[in-house]
Amino acid sequence: EIVLTQSPTTMAASPGEKVTLTCLASSSVNYMYWYQQKSSASPKLLIYYTSILASGVPDRFSGSGSGTSYSLTISSMEAEDAAIYYCLQLTSTPPTFGSGTKLEIK
Amino acid sequence: EVQLVESGGGLVQPGRSLKLSCAASGFTFSDYNMAWVRQAPTKGLEWVASISYGGSNTHYGDSVKGRFTISRDNAKSTLYLQMDSLRSEDTATYYCASPWGDFDYWGQGVMVTVSS
Repeated sequence: EIVLTQSPTTMAASPGEKVTLTCLASSSVNYMYWYQQKSSASPKLLIYYTSILASGVPDRFSGSGSGTSYSLTISSMEAEDAAIYYCLQLTSTPPTFGSGTKLEIK
Repeated sequence: EVQLVESGGGLVQPGRSLKLSCAASGFTFSDYNMAWVRQAPTKGLEWVASISYGGSNTHYGDSVKGRFTISRDNAKSTLYLQMDSLRSEDTATYYCASPWGDFDYWGQGVMVTVSS
């Protein structure tokens, strides 16, 4: 199965700061999906097909990448963005999630 | 409005079985592949199983292969997860989901605790 490695594991950002989260795949994937999860809530889709913003997601979020390297960027950190972020690949069976990046507000 | 509502969770002893259900509404259930995703306490997300829209194709994560069975009843718009030979490491919140990018919906999750 494809292993997704997310970095950093944990980070803190100040309001207004630009944040970039990375997801590296052990083999090439066609697309990457990004989810946000707060406390015990269900995961919320942010980005699909690598760079398409899900409905209702603020445009400060963006995604990019190809092959084995993908990233999620928050152009200007806000307090409400504090959460855990997961990447997901659906290219190979079984689909796999990254282990997550915990993003905190400074 | 799309809704996915899980049920059937609870406390079960190791080695026993449990069957989860997910009632879908607000969309044409038989048109979409479906999946179960779980999250152990304080841990990350783990893909458990998925099933094609017609039910003929299924896939499982390595940790549950041979013990769990995913199925669906399109007439009842319901997804199932039969969990056999349960282990303590299966303790988690189980989400019913349709995580396919432009059609992405998740249930609220149901807790399964495996303990003696």
